[in-house]
Amino acid sequence: DTEVTQTPKHLVMGMTNKKSLKCEQHMGHRAMYWYKQKAKKPPELMFVYSYEKLSINESVPSRFSPECPNSSLLNLHLHALQPEDSALYLCASSQPGQGIYEQYFGPGTRLTVT
Amino acid sequence: GQQLNQSPQSMFIQEGEDVSMNCTSSSIFNTWLWYKQEPGEGPVLLIALYKAGELTSNGRLTAQFGITRKDSFLNISASIPSDVGIYFCAGRRKGGGADGLTFGKGTHLIIQP
Repeated sequence: DTEVTQTPKHLVMGMTNKKSLKCEQHMGHRAMYWYKQKAKKPPELMFVYSYEKLSINESVPSRFSPECPNSSLLNLHLHALQPEDSALYLCASSQPGQGIYEQYFGPGTRLTVT
Repeated sequence: GQQLNQSPQSMFIQEGEDVSMNCTSSSIFNTWLWYKQEPGEGPVLLIALYKAGELTSNGRLTAQFGITRKDSFLNISASIPSDVGIYFCAGRRKGGGADGLTFGKGTHLIIQP
């Protein structure tokens, strides 16, 4: 099973709202990722968690706050977003080490900030 | 930051034609991955390459890891309508552990009836 699930599929929020995106995988992977993708552009890395610890933050604004409660779950907390933050947010997972670096993506959450 | 140059940007082909796209980089990558993305969905992994010179097939898809470790190509033979989508190459930088992927800008494949 190579499935990564994300909820919600669509989210519309105002600039003063607080919301969270959720990601779950049951492949036993110990690395999880958040990517941001604008229309007709490639995914851009935001955060990497390895063994539930934040290992990479690609200079993402503090209005995005990641959280990894356990090895299967990854959240992205959103607060005071701007309209330019509207995008497809993708979660991915992989198994670090062992020479295997394939990342498996979820279907994404389409976020619209009004 | 590191960049991947992917070409062509888009391809308009007839059903049944073969397709070829490639990625090049000024930096060495130790893993190349090829993904396909359809509208409203996340990228789906097609092929993973780990060794310089490696040639790997997945059905009608064939991909190769360049000898210099700075390039890779993907071929699709006998295209069919369901091949439509955006194809991304992605490279993983040298080093161990979890690491993010650097993506090419994508090749948009359009199949004309």
